[in-house]
This record gives sequence, structure tokens and C-alpha cells, in this order.
Amino acid sequence: AQKITQTQPGMFVQEKEAVTLDCTYDTSDPSYGLFWYKQPSSGEMIFLIYQGSYDQQNATEGRYSLNFQKARKSANLVISASQLGDSAMYFCAMREGPDTGFQKLVFGTGTRLLVSP
Amino acid sequence: DAGITQSPRHKVTETGTPVTLRCHQTENHRYMYWYRQDPGHGLRLIHYSYGVKDTDKGEVSDGYSVSRSKTEDFLLTLESATSSQTSVYFCAISDQGAAEAFFGQGTRLTVV
Repeated sequence: AQKITQTQPGMFVQEKEAVTLDCTYDTSDPSYGLFWYKQPSSGEMIFLIYQGSYDQQNATEGRYSLNFQKARKSANLVISASQLGDSAMYFCAMREGPDTGFQKLVFGTGTRLLVSP
Repeated sequence: DAGITQSPRHKVTETGTPVTLRCHQTENHRYMYWYRQDPGHGLRLIHYSYGVKDTDKGEVSDGYSVSRSKTEDFLLTLESATSSQTSVYFCAISDQGAAEAFFGQGTRLTVV
């Protein structure tokens, strides 16, 4: 069965520093997708970044990058140059199967990031 | 922002009463999902839909039913609400060829 593990309940970082949020996954399906979502205190779920299992390069979206290490089954989120607005809960999620449109997701328990001035 | 509207946004109900949550989309996306979010569990999938009148169970479907009679609407029903169903409920949509799912604003349900 697919599973996502986020071992860091909380992380602290100073403004303008980089931070890495850990995510490991378990699946027997060779085709899968990995996602990161941000949930600010207002409660909405905001899509940040996606990595497909067959993608050769790590995904990047602005200040977000996904450090994909397939052999280790890890998909860590790196936020460069943290901003106060990055303070939020961050969820790692996985989709099994090749259909990129069908997003039946399994989520980790989340990491709460606090950015200090 | 993706056009997803959940209603109601907040609801308090009594144990044993039926409750229906509505998810409405204006994106004409094929797939729709209902998740619940609880502390220590992240989000867990309750039910999902492949299209009109085509639904299936997720990880935590006991006590819930769904219906999708139109592409734009996906209803989640708690036939007889229990305190364990106190949670925040999220609707999500996705479409063929798209990498991500878009989430609604969430509905906070309290069963007393």
C-alpha cells in the first residue's frame, strides 16, 4: 500500500534562509506522482510543485524545488530565501499510476513551518 | 483560482441527523474528490468520482455516501452524523492531462 511519511512535525527557519522539508514515500507502482501542498492558517490547500516518477530532472517552481531521490524514495521540498508568508503547514502527497489527470492522493501528516524575522 | 465552491463553509449539527455537503465546480473537470482533514492524519480520501454517476470509495468511506448527477456538483452525505465525523472536509477537482488537483476552501463540520 502506498504511504507518505513526514517525520518533522515542526520546523523553524529565519527569513531569507533556505529550508528543507522531508518526505519519504512507499509504493510498489513504478509509475507515480509526488506533490507538495501548502496550507496557510486561513485553511486553503495551495498546490506548490509536482514531480513525476519518470521525470529526469528535479522539479522547480520559483523559490520551490523538489529534491527527488528515487532510490531513497524521498521527495524533499526545498524553499529558498524563506519569507514570512511561507509560514504554514506543508503536506507531501502521492498519486499511484500513470494517469496524471486522476489525482487520488495519499497525504503525509504535514510539517508546520515557522519563518521568523 | 480554480472555480470550486463548497457549501456550507461551517456547520454544527446534532448526532444522528443527516448532513449533506455540496461541492460545485465551474471548471468542467472530470474528476472530483472528497477528503477529510484531522489532526495527526493529514488529508484522507473519502470518496471520488470519475464522472457523472460514476463514483467509488476511498480510504475512509464508512458512514458516508456521495452522488454526482451533474458534472459540476458532487455531494457528500452523512446519513446519520456521529461525533467521529467532526472534521474539516475538502472537495478537490482534477482533469485529464493536468498535473495537480485543486481544492475548495473546506467545510468545518462539528457534530455535537
